[in-house]
Amino acid sequence: KNQVEQSPQSLIILEGKNCTLQCNYTVSPFSNLRWYKQDTGRGPVSLTIMTFSENTKSNGRYTATLDADTKQSSLHITASQLSDSASYICVVSQSLFNNNDMRFGAGTRLTVKP
Amino acid sequence: EAQVTQNPRYLITVTGKKLTVTCSQNMNHEYMSWYRQDPGLGLRQIYYSMNVEVTDKGDVPEGYKVSRKEKRNFPLILESPSPNQTSLYFCASRDYRQETQYFGPGTRLLVL
Repeated sequence: KNQVEQSPQSLIILEGKNCTLQCNYTVSPFSNLRWYKQDTGRGPVSLTIMTFSENTKSNGRYTATLDADTKQSSLHITASQLSDSASYICVVSQSLFNNNDMRFGAGTRLTVKP
Repeated sequence: EAQVTQNPRYLITVTGKKLTVTCSQNMNHEYMSWYRQDPGLGLRQIYYSMNVEVTDKGDVPEGYKVSRKEKRNFPLILESPSPNQTSLYFCASRDYRQETQYFGPGTRLLVL
């Protein structure tokens, strides 16, 4: 069973609408949680990084929240644009600077239609 | 421009024919990794390197080799590719003091 579960698997919304993507994890111990955006045919690009003590972080129209007690995170996209169409990947790490303990979710495929 | 490059971007080969996918970064990063991405699964780490001549296995290393002779390059070698290695491969690098990992554009491999 994947230690990082994302929902929904896919989502279609109209341009200008808001949406929220979910990430639940069982990874322990926990160090940080990252959200990446992956455009079709491209590598993932970092959107936000949150450590244990942070419960919200914004990057433009993207706002990530973290509840370390319930091991849940969400990514909220405001006023969606066509360019937001991409896969969004949640990644949980057990340590801050280690490079081999990151656990990746399978991603949520978001399609924004005009 | 700071970037991670991979070559080739697309590759079709046959079972058993050795191949190498190159990865290069121009950011002087210590950490480099290789991942594979398959439908319905998250990115899975194949191998990683913490510096020159220091490499270690990730979660799915079987059938792959890597080397780190120079800081900027981290090639992925498939000595005898098999169809179950058909996948999308990503190279990534990171400064050991920073949290952000930078990914290459990906290499789509098809093994017949």
